[in-house]
Amino acid sequence: QKEVEQDPGPLSVPEGAIVSLNCTYSNSAFQYFMWYRQYSRKGPELLMYTYSSGNKEDGRFTAQVDKSSKYISLFIRDSQPSDSATYLCAMSGTGGFKTIFGAGTRLFVKA
Amino acid sequence: GAGVSQSPSNKVTEKGKDVELRCDPISGHTALYWYRQSLGQGLEFLIYFQGNSAPDKSGLPSDRFSAERTGGSVSTLTIQRTQQEDSAVYLCASILRGEQYFGPGTRLTVT
Repeated sequence: QKEVEQDPGPLSVPEGAIVSLNCTYSNSAFQYFMWYRQYSRKGPELLMYTYSSGNKEDGRFTAQVDKSSKYISLFIRDSQPSDSATYLCAMSGTGGFKTIFGAGTRLFVKA
Repeated sequence: GAGVSQSPSNKVTEKGKDVELRCDPISGHTALYWYRQSLGQGLEFLIYFQGNSAPDKSGLPSDRFSAERTGGSVSTLTIQRTQQEDSAVYLCASILRGEQYFGPGTRLTVT
């Protein structure tokens, strides 16, 4: 079993839809949770960064962490064609833990 | 300011040849990661440099892979006697305050 599981998709939605992206993990030591966005032929860029459980909102993006269920989510409201990209979840712990990435979910937002 | 740069952007090589991939991190960033990203896969950790400490090489898949970081700045990843399964995008990231800044990657194709 992988430490981080993420459905690779692809996920196709119409413009304006609410998008829900999710990851599950097995290592209870993870405390830092990130979402990266990666456009085709580009490196990933950090989108959201959350410490421990709870919600964090930034514009149209909301990140949720449920440590009791080992489940994290990224919600995108009013999705735009420019949101079409691969979204990777990532997580790490303290004490020298390396960052572990999910496989990434490919999202297509149709105009 | 300038971001992380990588060269070459694309590399096609014959099986059995050696290749060198270069990463120029953001000035002042003391930590640097190398990752490998294969189609449909998440980022696979290869090696981690932090300041003057011994690098964490635990992710290197075989002794054909090596990396060095000169003067705490530029890093090169060397793959000797390349195999077709080495074909992937090789990404480096420099780190500041826990946030990883990725380069655009080098797409390696071994024929």
